[in-house]
Amino acid sequence: DAKTTQPTSMDCAEGRAANLPCNHSTISGNEYVYWYRQIHSQGPQYIIHGLKNNETNEMASLIITEDRKSSTLILPHATLRDTAVYYCIVRSNAGNMLTFGGGTRLMVKP
Amino acid sequence: GAVVSQHPSWVICKSGTSVKIECRSLDFQATTMFWYRQFPKQSLMLMATSNEGSKATYEQGVEKDKFLINHASLTLSTLTVTSAHPEDSSFYICSVVTGTGNYGYTFGSGTRLTVV
Repeated sequence: DAKTTQPTSMDCAEGRAANLPCNHSTISGNEYVYWYRQIHSQGPQYIIHGLKNNETNEMASLIITEDRKSSTLILPHATLRDTAVYYCIVRSNAGNMLTFGGGTRLMVKP
Repeated sequence: GAVVSQHPSWVICKSGTSVKIECRSLDFQATTMFWYRQFPKQSLMLMATSNEGSKATYEQGVEKDKFLINHASLTLSTLTVTSAHPEDSSFYICSVVTGTGNYGYTFGSGTRLTVV
């Protein structure tokens, strides 16, 4: 599965949108982009995934560039409870396991 | 979505003893489960793939005789850390494959193991 690159950490003001970038320049045509987050001392939580179209659900939006080499996870109105480590993962449909990179530590501040 | 229960949530044990961690899929029959380990301030590292009714597949560098995995039923996988040492202290997390294709992973809440 392709490797991803994310900033180590980001800050966001409470109530503002949090935009978390991810680079996956070696992504191949059958690989999906997944986002998970991990709140301290808990298991990872699924947020969203997509192939090439932008996706939105009740938690977040996922914007994937046309060349699919990067994506952005958007939390439209960040709250203090969104403070977590956010992982961007690329995985092919055929693969089973999820390989976690370093992730982005998002700190939402009052 | 599927519910995965992991037990215990934390455990302290003495060096040399063994500890068993359970991962239960409460509402889904899980053929495959994964076990991860996470050291402080690090990412999750896959330890092994647990397959119901067959032997687990271990990642390179993970000792299968030290980390015993049993997946005897479709709802339960166990990880036993044998002869635990302080360096085995970590956060252990299981995940259940709950769907096919491009979706379908649910994680347990994790077990913090401290070996003293």
